[in-house]
Amino acid sequence: DIQMTQSPSSLSASVGDRVTFTCRASQSISGSLNWYQQKPGRAPQLLIYSTSKLERGIPSSFSGSGSGTEFSLTISSLQPEDFATYYCQQSYSAPYTFGQGTKLDIK
Amino acid sequence: EVQLVESGGGLVKPGGSLRLSCAASGFSFSDYYMNWIRQAPGKGLEWVSSISDSSADRYYADSVKGRFTISRDNAKNSLSLQMDSLRAEDTAIYYCVRDRGGAAAAGLLGYWGQGTLVTVSS
Repeated sequence: DIQMTQSPSSLSASVGDRVTFTCRASQSISGSLNWYQQKPGRAPQLLIYSTSKLERGIPSSFSGSGSGTEFSLTISSLQPEDFATYYCQQSYSAPYTFGQGTKLDIK
Repeated sequence: EVQLVESGGGLVKPGGSLRLSCAASGFSFSDYYMNWIRQAPGKGLEWVSSISDSSADRYYADSVKGRFTISRDNAKNSLSLQMDSLRAEDTAIYYCVRDRGGAAAAGLLGYWGQGTLVTVSS
């Protein structure tokens, strides 16, 4: 099975900051890396798929990059509604494993 | 509008069984892979199982293999998860999820239900 590791596990930042999260796969997953956002008490929402493709309705302040085993999610300018938990997930092969999540909170 | 509504959650004793259902609407159900994802209280997301559009392919996490069975009824726009030999560590919110669609969509989780809580406790 492919293991996904996210860093950091938590991050404090301020509105307007630029933040980057990292996700590492235990083996190459080509570009099959997806990012989800989850707010408390809500179901997760797809943000970015296939490494860098923005899902419909997601602000352009979100971007993704990477390849092989190393991937990142960047938020260029934090808005109040962006404070949430972010998960990476590989869809390269079943089981479609998730990272453990990065919790982003307000500094 | 895509809608996924889970039901069947509740309290069950260790070793017991439970069957979750998901009613789908707003799209052509038979065209999409479907999935179950769970989240234990205060924990991260765990992929549980996926089923192809025709039911020909089914995948399971090692943690549930041999105990859980995913199935679908395309005529009724319905997805199910039969959970047997339940353990305390199966306690979680269970989400019904449709793949996003498009190329390489298997495992790409585009639309989520609101979840149903399963509690395994004596």
